[in-house]
Amino acid sequence: EAQVTQNPRYLITVTGKKLTVTCSQNMNHEYMSWYRQDPGLGLRQIYYSMNVEVTDKGDVPEGYKVSRKEKRNFPLILESPSPNQTSLYFCASSLSWTGFNQPQHFGDGTRLSIL
Amino acid sequence: GQNIDQPTEMTATEGAIVQINCTYQTSGFNGLFWYQQHAGEAPTFLSYNVLDGLEEKGRFSSFLSRSKGYSYLLLKELQMKDSASYLCAVFSGGYNKLIFGAGTRLAVHP
Repeated sequence: EAQVTQNPRYLITVTGKKLTVTCSQNMNHEYMSWYRQDPGLGLRQIYYSMNVEVTDKGDVPEGYKVSRKEKRNFPLILESPSPNQTSLYFCASSLSWTGFNQPQHFGDGTRLSIL
Repeated sequence: GQNIDQPTEMTATEGAIVQINCTYQTSGFNGLFWYQQHAGEAPTFLSYNVLDGLEEKGRFSSFLSRSKGYSYLLLKELQMKDSASYLCAVFSGGYNKLIFGAGTRLAVHP
């Protein structure tokens, strides 16, 4: 089944404890992206990747890191999490980076709480 | 600047028709997407418009006017399961990314 898989689905942790949210897609998609979703603000892009070893900042990259060593995986790293990073996170992928008729497929989301 | 506007909330009656509007200003335009998102779940793709006009898909239709920076999503024969948020998003070719509006929360009542 074609899908984007994120783990974990839920995480409660404490300030400053490094964490990684994994994202994997099995559709051979070039473009991958991380979003956070907060009430009233909609989905905001954190980082995106147009292909292996090509990543770039989105609108809200501060406090996050990503890597794209393989086409299928795009982990999101919080080196020193803080309470303002408490949010619902989505990973998404699409076939190419052009956007033309390329809907993004979303993972089920990771609800992150940082105390 | 880049901006996408849509109403925050709408209500409608089961069986009726509702139109959700979206206006946008973006750098480069590679198409406009509509997504549906039920509470706590992932957004799912509904429709895509890149040329002016109406695209119809069953009970859902989406319209685009590029000169006006305007789109709408039309939902017919509303069902209770259509209660969800509807997200308008534009792919900005200038920035290689999908820019989302804040979403419109639709409540369908019996």
